[in-house]
Amino acid sequence: EPEVTQTPSHQVTQMGQEVILRCVPISNHLYFYWYRQILGQKVEFLVSFYNNEISEKSEIFDDQFSVERPDGSNFTLKIRSTKLEDSAMYFCASSEARGPYSDEQYFGPGTRLTVT
Amino acid sequence: GQQVMQIPQYQHVQEGEDFTTYCNSSTTLSNIQWYKQRPGGHPVFLIQLVKSGEVKKQKRLTFQFGEAKKNSSLHITATQTTDVGTYFCAAGSGTYKYIFGTGTRLKVLA
Repeated sequence: EPEVTQTPSHQVTQMGQEVILRCVPISNHLYFYWYRQILGQKVEFLVSFYNNEISEKSEIFDDQFSVERPDGSNFTLKIRSTKLEDSAMYFCASSEARGPYSDEQYFGPGTRLTVT
Repeated sequence: GQQVMQIPQYQHVQEGEDFTTYCNSSTTLSNIQWYKQRPGGHPVFLIQLVKSGEVKKQKRLTFQFGEAKKNSSLHITATQTTDVGTYFCAAGSGTYKYIFGTGTRLKVLA
């Protein structure tokens, strides 16, 4: 069964450093998402992406965040200058984009980001 | 902003007992999705509800969307140890943006 993959599984970085989290969505999917989950808390929407453009973004997704689809398979989340409060599990998800009422999202296993 | 609350926050049940989690939105929704997250795992899609008053069943799981499309529930009949995890609702507003609820963590005691 096709699945979303994410690398690395764990990233440790120092405050102020830039990090790039990578995702390979399911191949025929057209909508891509990033979510984050602070340990033990709820899943928070960051951004959705379609046709090489941001479709929706949350208040969390400020200027220090950016997303990119650099080639036909990867989808990346860049955090420009990490803060301690960015420590969380970051999940990538993708969907077929059959329509917002038919949008089953498939989540990857996540990247645990630790900012020290 | 939009708030999506779930109750209870935690639920411990004996194996074989029933379990229900409730999801309440501060705004009217276009659709709602339910996800299950096992400990240490990622969210896994369970179901999507779109119509007012809609009820869907998956084996021992029953999902309901409220008439006013502001609340939803997930009911599990005769829980099993494999049901352990956190259940999240995700509220849709007709766009590709989903607000996840606060989650209900279910523990099943054998």
